Amino acid sequence: AQRVTQPEKLLSVFKGAPVELKCNYSYSGSPELFWYVQYSRQRLQLLLRHISRESIKGFTADLNKGETSFHLKKPFAQEEDSAMYYCAPFLGFNAGGTSYGKLTFGQGTILTVHP
Amino acid sequence: NAGVMQNPRHLVRRRGQEARLRCSPMKGHSHVYWYRQLPEEGLKFMVYLQKENIIDESGMPKERFSAEFPKEGPSILRIQQVVRGDSAAYFCASSTWDRPSTDTQYFGPGTRLTVL
Repeated sequence: AQRVTQPEKLLSVFKGAPVELKCNYSYSGSPELFWYVQYSRQRLQLLLRHISRESIKGFTADLNKGETSFHLKKPFAQEEDSAMYYCAPFLGFNAGGTSYGKLTFGQGTILTVHP
Repeated sequence: NAGVMQNPRHLVRRRGQEARLRCSPMKGHSHVYWYRQLPEEGLKFMVYLQKENIIDESGMPKERFSAEFPKEGPSILRIQQVVRGDSAAYFCASSTWDRPSTDTQYFGPGTRLTVL
């Protein structure tokens, strides 16, 4: 069965400390992987995607195919990083000869960065 | 581009009434996704639609819930005979299918449904 797991529902760190939000996935195919973020009173938005190898707001995520993990990391957390973070594998599939794609979200991790 | 629009932003219904939630995708987007976020929980996939087609409804409750995305007009998520357990935030997202690496879902602000 396809599954994505974020083991920590809540994560608290102090400002300036390193932070790592864990994500493990179990998929039969080779999904693309995304991290989405939802700041307080804002809509959910894309933070970064593996395919782009990008670093957004100091966050990076390394895909470990052996461990099937895509942990999100930042060396020095800031108070404004406090938010809900979702790991989201994306898998394309075919139906009736047409290609589609679907994101599946993990349960989410609420990150709180204390001053 | 105004982004994904959802209305109403807040909806109050009494038990047994119907709730209709609307989602207007971003311009040029033909794929719509609905998610539900129960209090203190994460985002749960409900249904994935393309214009006039339901692609994946594996996350939809079998009864009382339905969704459509007509050729013209917004996508509608309909909940019949609402119960208190339906109280949640319902989010809509849209995307344009290009390649998996470029497909990004853009989210609306959500509709917060409260069932009294």
